[in-house]
Amino acid sequence: QSALTQPASVSGSPGQSITISCTGTSSDVGGYNYVSWYQQYPGKAPKLMIYDVSNRPSGVSNRFSGSKSGNTASLTISGLQAEDEADYYCSSYTSSISLVFGGGTKLTVL
Amino acid sequence: QITLKESGPTLVIPTQTLTLTCTFSGFSLRDSGVGVGWIRQPPGKALEWLALIYWDDDKRYSPSLKSRLTITEDTSKNQVVLIMTNLDPVDTATYYCAHTIFASGTLDYFDSWGQGTLVTVSS
Repeated sequence: QSALTQPASVSGSPGQSITISCTGTSSDVGGYNYVSWYQQYPGKAPKLMIYDVSNRPSGVSNRFSGSKSGNTASLTISGLQAEDEADYYCSSYTSSISLVFGGGTKLTVL
Repeated sequence: QITLKESGPTLVIPTQTLTLTCTFSGFSLRDSGVGVGWIRQPPGKALEWLALIYWDDDKRYSPSLKSRLTITEDTSKNQVVLIMTNLDPVDTATYYCAHTIFASGTLDYFDSWGQGTLVTVSS
């Protein structure tokens, strides 16, 4: 099972919006609405930010939103803040009855 | 409050077997819909899902690692154990255990994670 494709890095200025893409196939992202997104600071465990494409867990800022079109899922962060600087990973259920993660995206807040 | 903590050796010799334990609190693996999974992350690299066990003892494994993995539970101790055989230096990684809910009826997301434990495979 190949990893989902994410851009290695994205950047934005405080207050701006950025979008991180996560591209898979019809056997994972495109075939199921089981895409989630995780935020990870250096040396820390990942934190769930979005599940089932567009749902936010309790306590996650509404500046974070998720969507999907075809085989590509997206995470959008609006009103970018310095504290958003972190690595972000997507994951998806697959037809192999498994989970696959993306390669990760480093977000830099300029 | 859900907490999870991984424990095990920090150094493993190549070809040996790795046994990791996840000790959790705030939930029970007897609770319907609950699951505990293992995910690893090599230094500077991406996350990789390894295995998962559900409240009903259903078990799922990464297809690429299935032959080397075994996941079990000790419900009385609130522990989940991951066994990985025939370790190689490429298995050097931080290993995380995490909590999941079978809400969607399939493998989905992990909503609480342990702090992770770094395992180095080297002679």
